[in-house]
Amino acid sequence: DTGVSQNPRHKITKRGQNVTFRCDPISEHNRLYWYRQTLGQGPEFLTYFQNEAQLEKSRLLSDRFSAERPKGSFSTLEIQRTEQGDSAMYLCASSVQQGEYGYTFGSGTRLTVV
Amino acid sequence: AQSVTQLDSQVPVFEEAPVELRCNYSSSVSVYLFWYVQYPNQGLQLLLKYLSGSTLVKGINGFEAEFNKSQTSFHLRKPSVHISDTAEYFCAVSDRNSGNTPLVFGKGTRLSVIA
Repeated sequence: DTGVSQNPRHKITKRGQNVTFRCDPISEHNRLYWYRQTLGQGPEFLTYFQNEAQLEKSRLLSDRFSAERPKGSFSTLEIQRTEQGDSAMYLCASSVQQGEYGYTFGSGTRLTVV
Repeated sequence: AQSVTQLDSQVPVFEEAPVELRCNYSSSVSVYLFWYVQYPNQGLQLLLKYLSGSTLVKGINGFEAEFNKSQTSFHLRKPSVHISDTAEYFCAVSDRNSGNTPLVFGKGTRLSVIA
């Protein structure tokens, strides 16, 4: 297993365009998390899945954001009508159900909205 | 809701000197505590974690942290730092009694090791 994989690594888009990011978790992990990290800040929780069920969404996740994990394996995060404030690093992590094992993070997708 | 305060945003230290990065969390309920490290343009890597038992936990790369329940702190230490320890360090907490809530992170401490 090669760990958590995120694609693309970098994305530059024009304001108003839609973007989609993909995360492939560790195969044995049934929980998958999305976080957002802006410059000089710690990761901020966006949403998480247990298998295919989306169990929690942060108030940071506006209606322009949608996440899916259709078969309980990979996940996608889509941002519609991007704004400059969406520029950030989007991090995906996975874990087994028991939280005490911690999370394994991917390398992130850096989004720049111009 | 849990919150984490990392008291220092930046810590410069000379190579081979000791370092302590401070972390306080908001609640005294049972928690899991973690320290992660982030190198430039990379994701986060787990350094160490406190689940229960001994209050002194050891992690990778020579780091250790001490859990202090009365002070709700989980400070990270290393007796002798190397240039390669230059990175961003994040403290994180999860409430153990709430069905393993998602990790809440602090804002991070940038450790700069000076040759």
